[in-house]
Amino acid sequence: GESVGLHLPTLSVQEGDNSIINCAYSNSASDYFIWYKQESGKGPQFIIDIRSNMDKRQGQRVTVLLNKTVKHLSLQIAATQPGDSAVYFCAEKNDGQNFVFGPGTRLSVLP
Amino acid sequence: KAGVTQTPRYLIKTRGQQVTLSCSPISGHRSVSWYQQTPGQGLQFLFEYFSETQRNKGNFPGRFSGRQFSNSRSEMNVSTLELGDSALYLCASTQGGLAGELFFGEGSRLTVL
Repeated sequence: GESVGLHLPTLSVQEGDNSIINCAYSNSASDYFIWYKQESGKGPQFIIDIRSNMDKRQGQRVTVLLNKTVKHLSLQIAATQPGDSAVYFCAEKNDGQNFVFGPGTRLSVLP
Repeated sequence: KAGVTQTPRYLIKTRGQQVTLSCSPISGHRSVSWYQQTPGQGLQFLFEYFSETQRNKGNFPGRFSGRQFSNSRSEMNVSTLELGDSALYLCASTQGGLAGELFFGEGSRLTVL
């Protein structure tokens, strides 16, 4: 898989702008998806989830979009803040299986 | 409600030694999963335990093992440590259904010299 950490894909956005982080998942049978945020020195934290019977779900400042046709998941963060700077992972799961995590994207919020 | 607790947070070992890491899940959670996180491989699934039974296993050598106790606390063990075992080991718990989010601990950072 792709490298995580030093060689992560990086998205840089200006504070206040919207961020869009993308994820291609691998298994067409996956029916549950989660976005996690991991700050330096911490474990991943749940942001938002979506099941395969939906194509959009909204939370506070975050929206997840699911396109099953092309096996694509995206996370939109509105009005990005400095505290949003972190590594973001998508995770997929199908019934009876374990979660499989994407390689992650580092979000850097510029002042 | 207390979160997932992992101990120790940091440890240093030398090649050939063995290590045991501990995880206390959120109260009421019966499923515990372990992941290895490295810069090169990202988050890799090790194994999952539910009600003291291993329910799923990833593609790691037999040097990596785990167990779960009746109170849902879990331990993982790595024997004959190699330099490449240096990683952040993350434990996650969930209530036990086959769906539902994983709640992660802060991890145990293992360095093998």
